[in-house]
Amino acid sequence: DTAVSQTPKYLVTQMGNDKSIKCEQNLGHDTMYWYKQDSKKFLKIMFSYNNKELIINETVPNRFSPKSPDKAHLNLHINSLELGDSAVYFCASSPSSGGRYNEQFFGPGTRLTVL
Amino acid sequence: GENVEQHPSTLSVQEGDSAVIKCTYSDSASNYFPWYKQELGKGPQLIIDIRSNVGEKKDQRIAVTLNKTAKHFSLHITETQPEDSAVYFCAASIGSNYQLIWGAGTKLIIKP
Repeated sequence: DTAVSQTPKYLVTQMGNDKSIKCEQNLGHDTMYWYKQDSKKFLKIMFSYNNKELIINETVPNRFSPKSPDKAHLNLHINSLELGDSAVYFCASSPSSGGRYNEQFFGPGTRLTVL
Repeated sequence: GENVEQHPSTLSVQEGDSAVIKCTYSDSASNYFPWYKQELGKGPQLIIDIRSNVGEKKDQRIAVTLNKTAKHFSLHITETQPEDSAVYFCAASIGSNYQLIWGAGTKLIIKP
């Protein structure tokens, strides 16, 4: 009965490679997010999708590209990985209801290490 | 730009004592203020939230207070227990796209 799941949990790769992280939620939410948490635990929003439509696109390198094939999935593809991309990436989802903020449910995170 | 400041960055309290974490925000239009708890190796989890039409909210040992005039809100944990040890984040709503601005986090350590 996993609510928000991410794969893989750990990802170790070389600089310059391309990798993807997948996220799925079974809560029926229509808003999904990607966050980056650095080594100092600071949480930074990267992207947000509402009903498969991009609504937040913070200043991140265009090497990062989100893809939402349907409301339950939001994947993150990263091209030409750099050392500074090493972090924990969290997917989250929330119900949206007429502009009212609601709880965000987070996945377990994907720890990306770029060597 | 919009900003949320959180203090302290680390807080160590004796088991059974109270802990208070404070946040200030800059956007006067913010109207939703959640607090999240992040345990080691896990994603953040909502523990309590407050909306701008309320000054205080309590849930067992946890309470949140909001002062809209001063633009600050606080998390209060009473009778702390070892399982309260975690990183706590405050956040404030911004804009109309369900976006939150997050504080930098407070590492709470409960000493036995």
